[in-house]
Amino acid sequence: GIQVEQSPPDLILQEGANSTLRCNFSDSVNNLQWFHQNPWGQLINLFYIPSGTKQNGRLSATTVATERYSLLYISSSQTTDSGVYFCAEGGATNKLIFGTGTLLAVQP
Amino acid sequence: NAGVMQNPRHLVRRRGQEARLRCSPMKGHSHVYWYRQLPEEGLKFMVYLQKENIIDESGMPKERFSAEFPKEGPSILRIQQVVRGDSAAYFCASQGDKAGYEQYFGPGTRLTVT
Repeated sequence: GIQVEQSPPDLILQEGANSTLRCNFSDSVNNLQWFHQNPWGQLINLFYIPSGTKQNGRLSATTVATERYSLLYISSSQTTDSGVYFCAEGGATNKLIFGTGTLLAVQP
Repeated sequence: NAGVMQNPRHLVRRRGQEARLRCSPMKGHSHVYWYRQLPEEGLKFMVYLQKENIIDESGMPKERFSAEFPKEGPSILRIQQVVRGDSAAYFCASQGDKAGYEQYFGPGTRLTVT
């Protein structure tokens, strides 16, 4: 099955800094999603982005399906951005395969 | 617009007991997925159901685990004779009726087996 690699595995930022998280895929991208798992364990939908670019406030995402990667940009980070960020690909069956996540800590 | 509901949020069971986890999808959604997050591991697919049908259970352990999504009522993930290794967060996700739409996750049920 498809392999999903995320980088970096962890990241420490000062409040106000920007960051870029990356997902690489071993196969074609069809149903890509980005999630934020907050410190309480809840999974928050960020983007459904099989291709192209989307923006939502301080967050934006870009997927280049032909090159099998996706990027999540966080600008002007806040402490509430802390948590684990996952990308996941559903493929043709839409069974989401999750990456191992990027653990983000934003310090005040 | 109510989101995906899961209950209970926390469940403690002793070894050998049964655990029943419930998931009510978003209104108008008829596709339900269950995922498990073991400690220090990522999220893994378990089973995909539509109303009254199991579509894909390739991620379910062969024994003790079962799932259903009846015509009326929530989807249920049932774990019989729980063992300590079943301790995990169990998430369900719902999806609308068009293929390729995004999945929306519930808050999860944290199962602890003592």
